[in-house]
Amino acid sequence: DTAVSQTPKYLVTQMGNDKSIKCEQNLGHDTMYWYKQDSKKFLKIMFSYNNKELIINETVPNRFSPKSPDKAHLNLHINSLELGDSAVYFCASSPDGLAGGKQFFGPGTRLTVL
Amino acid sequence: DAKTTQPTSMDCAEGRAANLPCNHSTISGNEYVYWYRQIHSQGPQYIIHGLKNNETNEMASLIITEDRKSSTLILPHATLRDTAVYYCIVRVEYGGATNKLIFGTGTLLAVQP
Repeated sequence: DTAVSQTPKYLVTQMGNDKSIKCEQNLGHDTMYWYKQDSKKFLKIMFSYNNKELIINETVPNRFSPKSPDKAHLNLHINSLELGDSAVYFCASSPDGLAGGKQFFGPGTRLTVL
Repeated sequence: DAKTTQPTSMDCAEGRAANLPCNHSTISGNEYVYWYRQIHSQGPQYIIHGLKNNETNEMASLIITEDRKSSTLILPHATLRDTAVYYCIVRVEYGGATNKLIFGTGTLLAVQP
């Protein structure tokens, strides 16, 4: 009965590789997000999609490309991985409008770039 | 940048009430105060939110001062499972349809047995 799920949970890869993280929500929400939590535990929004349309792009390098095939899925593709990309990535979803601040987070994907 | 200020850490005895303060002196009239928590190695979890009235749900109570410049999250009977980082967030509206949450450094609440 997982509301927001992410795969994989752990991802270890070499610098320069390309990788993807998948996210799915079964809550019927129209809005989905990607957040990055770095080693200092700062949690920062990266992207937001509303009904498959990009709404927020927080000056993330264009090596990061979110893709939303439908409103229940928001995948994150990362090209040419760098050491600084190592972090925990969280997907989240929320309803629209006034309820949009109540976000449901996935369990996170810990990415380690060697 | 986060618009809130919280203590870095707090301790609380198990079974006692945990009162977590938050300052948000620059909050605008239509901005809500949200509280989330993050238990170690898990995703953040929504707790409660409010505009100006006090709010209560099954997890916690939220007390907002009349001038709205500060608030307190109250966990009435803290348990060991409440040990987590608690984030106080002022919700920033972005483009109308989608709202952005800006997380600060939060308060690490350690519930002691």
